[in-house]
Amino acid sequence: EVVMTQSPGTLSVSPGERATLSCRASQSIGTNLAWYQQIPGQAPRLLIYAASTRATGIPARFRGIGSGTDFTLTISSLQSEDFAVYYCQQYNNWPRTFGPGTKVDIK
Amino acid sequence: EVQLVESGGGLVQPGRSLRLSCAASGFTFDDYAMHWVRQAPGKGLEWVSTISWKSDNIGYADSVRGRFTISRDNAKSSLYLQMNSLRAEDTALYYCGKGKVGSSSSSIDHWGQGTLVTVSS
Repeated sequence: EVVMTQSPGTLSVSPGERATLSCRASQSIGTNLAWYQQIPGQAPRLLIYAASTRATGIPARFRGIGSGTDFTLTISSLQSEDFAVYYCQQYNNWPRTFGPGTKVDIK
Repeated sequence: EVQLVESGGGLVQPGRSLRLSCAASGFTFDDYAMHWVRQAPGKGLEWVSTISWKSDNIGYADSVRGRFTISRDNAKSSLYLQMNSLRAEDTALYYCGKGKVGSSSSSIDHWGQGTLVTVSS
């Protein structure tokens, strides 16, 4: 099983600041990685797929980079609606696996 | 507009069975993979199962393999999850998700609102 780890567990950021979230796979997954945002009480939303492609309607302040085992999601200037939990997921190997999530909260 | 509506959740005793359904609309159902993902109360997301567009590639989480069966009826634009031998640790909100592409190697680009399964005596 590909184990996904995310760091930090919690990130405290002020509105307008940059947030950098990390995701690491226990073995190479190429670019078969997605990032999701989940606001409490809501279903997850796809932000990034194929490691770096923004999903439909996702603002340009969300940027994904990486390949192999190391991936990063950057939110360039946090807006109030961006405070949420972010999950990465690999879909290269069976079983598909999610990371434990990074909570981005208001500093 | 893509819509995914889950149903079939509820309270069930350990060891019993439950069948979840997901009614899809707003897209050509048989062109896309479909997924089940669950979330235990207060916990993170856990991938459960994926089925490709032609049902020729299916995968399960280790925690449910042998107990859960995913299937789809393309004529009815519906996805199913047959859950047998339920355990307390299966208690979760179960989400249906639409794949970004038809193959099973796919992210999830639309999600339903989920159906709650509670396994308890």
